[in-house]
Amino acid sequence: NAGVTQTPKFQVLKTGQSMTLQCAQDMNHEYMSWYRQDPGMGLRLIHYSVGAGITDQGEVPNGYNVSRSTTEDFPLRLLSAAPSQTSVYFCASSYGAGSPDTQYFGPGTRLTVL
Amino acid sequence: RKEVEQDPGPFNVPEGATVAFNCTYSNSASQSFFWYRQDCRKEPKLLMSVYSSGNEDGRFTAQLNRASQYISLLIRDSKLSDSATYLCVRAGGYNKLIFGAGTRLAVHP
Repeated sequence: NAGVTQTPKFQVLKTGQSMTLQCAQDMNHEYMSWYRQDPGMGLRLIHYSVGAGITDQGEVPNGYNVSRSTTEDFPLRLLSAAPSQTSVYFCASSYGAGSPDTQYFGPGTRLTVL
Repeated sequence: RKEVEQDPGPFNVPEGATVAFNCTYSNSASQSFFWYRQDCRKEPKLLMSVYSSGNEDGRFTAQLNRASQYISLLIRDSKLSDSATYLCVRAGGYNKLIFGAGTRLAVHP
């Protein structure tokens, strides 16, 4: 199993550009989520999904969209990038909504918005 | 007030030392707590869950004090490889993890 994979590893955008961060898992996990990590702060939840076709907002959803058309994939879209979205983005997955102790994180995407 | 608060450190300790980190949380209804480890520029990885009765995993001991709303992590006989940032985490509903900002540990020879 590849586990949780994220692409790209690094990305530089200009203000106003849009892009999609990819996340995929091959463990047949129902639950997937996106976090961002900024210096001096803990990881903060952006969006999450409890299964295909179901998504919901986390703590910091503004400026981001998600969709979950398959169990495997959970892309995160930046609609119009802003410098405040410069961060490290982590995708995570787990078997079910009741298993917080078995979340697996991807290696992260480091995004810089100029 | 942050939901999960940690001393950012760094804690600089020699090899073989015992070091302890504390973490406080504000939501008294919280049920599940964890310690994650994060190496520089890497993803967080689960170190251990924290149980009310306290639990041990080799050189690591985690404690939960619900009355005072704090969690602790004790590392005995520190190794160079223990150098990392330790994240205190509580689980909200639907597997939402609420992270502290982390405590940095540097173990030196």
